[in-house]
Amino acid sequence: DGGITQSPKYLFRKEGQNVTLSCEQNLNHDAMYWYRQDPGQGLRLIYYSQIVNDFQKGDIAEGYSVSREKKESFPLTVTSAQKNPTAFYLCASSFTGDGYTFGSGTRLTVV
Amino acid sequence: GENVEQHPSTLSVQEGDSAVIKCTYSDSASNYFPWYKQELGKRPQLIIDIRSNVGEKKDQRIAVTLNKTAKHFSLHITETQPEDSAVYFCAASISGTASKLTFGTGTRLQVTL
Repeated sequence: DGGITQSPKYLFRKEGQNVTLSCEQNLNHDAMYWYRQDPGQGLRLIYYSQIVNDFQKGDIAEGYSVSREKKESFPLTVTSAQKNPTAFYLCASSFTGDGYTFGSGTRLTVV
Repeated sequence: GENVEQHPSTLSVQEGDSAVIKCTYSDSASNYFPWYKQELGKRPQLIIDIRSNVGEKKDQRIAVTLNKTAKHFSLHITETQPEDSAVYFCAASISGTASKLTFGTGTRLQVTL
């Protein structure tokens, strides 16, 4: 069953802690994306990657980091530099130029 | 970069009525315009899209129109049903090797009985 999987579904972060959100796809998509969703603000682009070993900053990259070592995987690390990380994080993938397939999301909360 | 504005932010219609959601975009080079539906707590799902070489596209009760000159595109839902209640997002991108979607802020549609 092809799809895009995000884990965990819920994640709690303590102040000063780095956490990593997982995103895996078996759709053979070239491009992968991370978006942050806050109430009333739509989806804002954090990072994206068109090919393996290459990625670009989106509109709100500060305090986040990514890697793209495999085509199937695009993990997002929320670092302690991100001062307001509580949000719903969505990973997506696509063939270049097509619509996205989204994962089911990770809800991150600072405790 | 691209900027997408979406209106209204909330929309309430009675079952059976039509609903229209409007978006404008800023980058005249944008040529791909998808619409996503997100139910509460779920992932956004692509419901329809349009490319700049056509002016209108229909899929059963859903249609999208595009006015390239005015840089407007709209989602039309006819004969609305309670299961249409959700948040709808428009988006725009320049299709190609550097394509990335810029999303509107969303419209919460409520279909009442």
